[in-house]
Amino acid sequence: EADIYQTPRYLVIGTGKKITLECSQTMGHDKMYWYQQDPGMELHLIHYSYGVNSTEKGDLSSESTVSRIRTEHFPLTLESARPSHTSQYLCASMRLDNEQFFGPGTRLTVL
Amino acid sequence: KNQVEQSPQSLIILEGKNCTLQCNYTVSPFSNLRWYKQDTGRGPVSLTIMTFSENTKSNGRYTATLDADTKQSSLHITASQLSDSASYICVVSDRGSTLGRLYFGRGTQLTVWP
Repeated sequence: EADIYQTPRYLVIGTGKKITLECSQTMGHDKMYWYQQDPGMELHLIHYSYGVNSTEKGDLSSESTVSRIRTEHFPLTLESARPSHTSQYLCASMRLDNEQFFGPGTRLTVL
Repeated sequence: KNQVEQSPQSLIILEGKNCTLQCNYTVSPFSNLRWYKQDTGRGPVSLTIMTFSENTKSNGRYTATLDADTKQSSLHITASQLSDSASYICVVSDRGSTLGRLYFGRGTQLTVWP
């Protein structure tokens, strides 16, 4: 099983709250990713990072932001959550042979 | 437009039966194709990975095939178990992408009934 962790696993919050979804990996991977997945739909890349101090936006526009201050940590922040942000958020890291390992995900519900 | 299409969208089978899931892709240039299993509320877990030169690969009761000419892949599950109930996602990566870009299908939701 991959050593990549996400907290919280489930989060229910009210509109307008600021939230941070945590993601950490202990495999020393440089490349990390955030995906958004709605039920029955494919994963959409929203952010990625090649390494420390590197962050880029993905294919799907997102109002979230990310930071990469340490190799093992790649948190995602929403400054003001809205119901449209309700989704599952998956974090992943990539090994040198391009194998991606996924965390268990955070299921976010914004009321 | 999604470059990875999977069928069927959902499938229900009885425990002990076999099934085959399909994946068609248009990703180019092709690097490799993976099948992932995603349990409800969990992240995807890799089952198999196939490169251009590989036609078939097995992982226990899972056997994946790849036809790079027709750009089709299948995942065959033998002697299904209740624990096989999950979404099976076909993921294709393109060659030469430093991003390690992956193209995801929407998955086939498999339900195994006792």
